[in-house]
Amino acid sequence: AQKITQTQPGMFVQEKEAVTLDCTYDTSDQSYGLFWYKQPSSGEMIFLIYQGSYDEQNATEGRYSLNFQKARKSANLVISASQLGDSAMYFCAMGHGNKLVFGAGTILRVKS
Amino acid sequence: EAGVAQSPRYKIIEKRQSVAFWCNPISGHATLYWYQQILGQGPKLLIQFQNNGVVDDSQLPKDRFSAERLKGVDSTLKIQPAKLEDSAVYLCASSLVVGPRGELFFGEGSRLTVL
Repeated sequence: AQKITQTQPGMFVQEKEAVTLDCTYDTSDQSYGLFWYKQPSSGEMIFLIYQGSYDEQNATEGRYSLNFQKARKSANLVISASQLGDSAMYFCAMGHGNKLVFGAGTILRVKS
Repeated sequence: EAGVAQSPRYKIIEKRQSVAFWCNPISGHATLYWYQQILGQGPKLLIQFQNNGVVDDSQLPKDRFSAERLKGVDSTLKIQPAKLEDSAVYLCASSLVVGPRGELFFGEGSRLTVL
């Protein structure tokens, strides 16, 4: 069975600073994908970044990067130059095919 | 491009009543999902459709939940009779690509409160 663990219930970061949100996973599959989604107060889940299990380089999407350490089974999200609009809930998810299993999430609050 | 549409956004009912949620996926997306998100938790998959066929409904409480996707487009999720523990946000999502890179596009969700 696949499992995602996000150990940080909440995080604070100062505007313009970088922040790392932790995610560890457990799976016996060899091929899988790792995703990060953002959920603002409006409720919609917004896709941020994807990392394939066979990708050798860490994924980057603008201010978002995924620190993928396969041997440690971790897929941490790094947000650089935090903005007030980054305040939201962040979910790490693992997928095999299209089926996603989500972690419990981390609430991020950006302070001005 | 229009996103995933869901209605109603909010619904309050009493236990043992019934409720139905509607989802219209992004045009052309063959795969449709219903997720349940209880407050403070991550979304949990209830059911996955590929066109109008069910791919996975292993976590759907079939004694009270039902879902259909007629004609492979819109979908309806029904709960009858509702229990207090069904209070949650019901998220609909759709995807185009089948495979490891299957990015899901979510709607804004339908928030259910059962009193």
